[in-house]
Amino acid sequence: QSALTQPPSASGSPGQSVTISCTGSSSDFGTYNYVSWYQQYPGKAPKLMIYEITKRPSGVPDRFSGSKSGNTASLTVSGLQAEDEADYYCTSYAGTNNYVFGTGTKVTVL
Amino acid sequence: QVQLQESGPGLVKPSETLSLTCTVSGGSISNSNFYWGWIRQPPGKGLEWIGNIYYTGSTYNNPSLKSRVTMSVDPSKNQFSLKLSAVTAADTSMYYCARFRYYDNGGYRHYFDYWGQGTLVSVSS
Repeated sequence: QSALTQPPSASGSPGQSVTISCTGSSSDFGTYNYVSWYQQYPGKAPKLMIYEITKRPSGVPDRFSGSKSGNTASLTVSGLQAEDEADYYCTSYAGTNNYVFGTGTKVTVL
Repeated sequence: QVQLQESGPGLVKPSETLSLTCTVSGGSISNSNFYWGWIRQPPGKGLEWIGNIYYTGSTYNNPSLKSRVTMSVDPSKNQFSLKLSAVTAADTSMYYCARFRYYDNGGYRHYFDYWGQGTLVSVSS
């Protein structure tokens, strides 16, 4: 199975917005709404930021939002802050009890 | 607050079997709403899902690793384990265990909500 495709990097100035895409095949996303996003700081475990495309776990700032159109899911970070500088990974249920992660995107706050 | 902790050898020889255990605290591994999963990350690279296990022992794995992966669960110890056979240098990774929310509030869910801190396993002679 192939990883979902994400841009290697994205950047923005404090206060701006940055959007990260996550592209797969119809079999990756299909009719499922099981796309989630994780934030990872260097040397740390990933942290759940978005689940089921648009939902935020308790404690995640509402600056983080998710969406999906066709075979592409997106994570948008609005009002970028220095603490948002991290790696971000998408993941999706790919059917038949199979899951696939994205290639990862490094977000830099300029 | 659920916590997960990986344990196991940090160095494994090529062709041997990698064995890791994840100990869960702050919640029961037998909760029917959750699976328990393994994810790995080679140094400087992205995340790769390895597989998930239910408290009953039911498992499903990444097709690319399936023939080498064995997972087990011990509800009495609130632990689950991973064995990866015939390892090579390509299996050198940080290995994470995580809780996988599968079902709640009358609906299916598919995401990892709690992660262990990870354990680095190197494959080298």
